[in-house]
Amino acid sequence: DSGVTQTPKHLITATGQRVTLRCSPRSGDLSVYWYQQSLDQGLQFLIQYYNGEERAKGNILERFSAQQFPDLHSELNLSSLELGDSALYFCASSVDGRNSPLHFGNGTRLTVT
Amino acid sequence: DAKTTQPTSMDCAEGRAANLPCNHSTISGNEYVYWYRQIHSQGPQYIIHGLKNNETNEMASLIITEDRKSSTLILPHATLRDTAVYYCIVRDLKAAGNKLTFGGGTRVLVKP
Repeated sequence: DSGVTQTPKHLITATGQRVTLRCSPRSGDLSVYWYQQSLDQGLQFLIQYYNGEERAKGNILERFSAQQFPDLHSELNLSSLELGDSALYFCASSVDGRNSPLHFGNGTRLTVT
Repeated sequence: DAKTTQPTSMDCAEGRAANLPCNHSTISGNEYVYWYRQIHSQGPQYIIHGLKNNETNEMASLIITEDRKSSTLILPHATLRDTAVYYCIVRDLKAAGNKLTFGGGTRVLVKP
């Protein structure tokens, strides 16, 4: 158990809809990362937050947004969903967002029908 | 852009040491080598990381060559539960956010 909690584990929704994925980092970790893993793309970095502020952005679509709240949990919002957004979404956390290892949750499996 | 090269796949015998190679010939002085593994759609699991000295923990050993252009992850006694995709990652500490960039990894199959 990495200590990173992601909810829900599974999500099935229709195209055009909006969903919110939630992540609770390990106790004491200030940094949260979001990754997407689809069959043909591997693990892709989306975005990182450190202590409530955005620190780095990767290949995140404009339809996607995220935030980190004062209690350090994070949410990833996906809107106007398309079939191609079906994937595993992983959250990871680290102590300082520098050299400390990232610890990953077990992901949310999103299926868009 | 992954900066590492790993074999696509390899088989290992249960109970034997598994040696997983990784080339990172363009690594720079302040970049660390990280290893993660992912067991069948679970979240990636941190294994070990190092800069230039060899490292050992309860899961594995990491051997980094003196020129730092390659490394080897050693699982001392492979078990069936070690079957996974293993990722060798060079982490750029100067990049914003110090994210981990995953490549294709090595698919390791531990056989009885």
